[in-house]
Amino acid sequence: AQKITQTQPGMFVQEKEAVTLDCTYDTSDQSYGLFWYKQPSSGEMIFLIYQGSYDEQNATEGRYSLNFQKARKSANLVISASQLGDSAMYFCAMREFSSNTGKLIFGQGTTLQVKP
Amino acid sequence: DSGVTQTPKHLITATGQRVTLRCSPRSGDLSVYWYQQSLDQGLQFLIQYYNGEERAKGNILERFSAQQFPDLHSELNLSSLELGDSALYFCASSVAGVGPSSGNTIYFGEGSWLTVV
Repeated sequence: AQKITQTQPGMFVQEKEAVTLDCTYDTSDQSYGLFWYKQPSSGEMIFLIYQGSYDEQNATEGRYSLNFQKARKSANLVISASQLGDSAMYFCAMREFSSNTGKLIFGQGTTLQVKP
Repeated sequence: DSGVTQTPKHLITATGQRVTLRCSPRSGDLSVYWYQQSLDQGLQFLIQYYNGEERAKGNILERFSAQQFPDLHSELNLSSLELGDSALYFCASSVAGVGPSSGNTIYFGEGSWLTVV
């Protein structure tokens, strides 16, 4: 069954340091996509980065990069040079393309706090 | 700004009432999704519409219904509201893409906070 697991309920990081948020997934599909979203305390869901299962290169978007290890079924988010504004809840999500729908399965989220 | 517009942003209503949440997708996006986020259930997929037709159904209660109109905006109707329906309701949209390498990024609106009292 499709599932997303985020094992870190909460994380702390010092400002300007890098932090890795863990995500593992379970799917029997060969064709899928992995997403990371940021949810600040104000509630909106902000798209950060996307990785397709056939993408050979790890995705990067500015200070965000996705460490995609297909054999281990992990898709960890790396935030470099953390900023105070990075304090938020972060969700990992997966979409299976065999279903021909856009349904996303979300993990439980990781709360990140950046310390000054 | 994701380009997905949701109204209203906040709504307080009484049990037993009916409300309608509205969503305008990003320009060019044909798919609209509705999600519910509550403290106990996390983020749950409710329903997807593609170009006016229902494409997929998730954990949507029978008291809830949705539709997508010819101009591609969508409405989520919640009726006979209960205290447990209090949640943050998200609309999201995406273009119709095929395969995992086409991006198929799904963008979310800012959500509609529903409080049932």
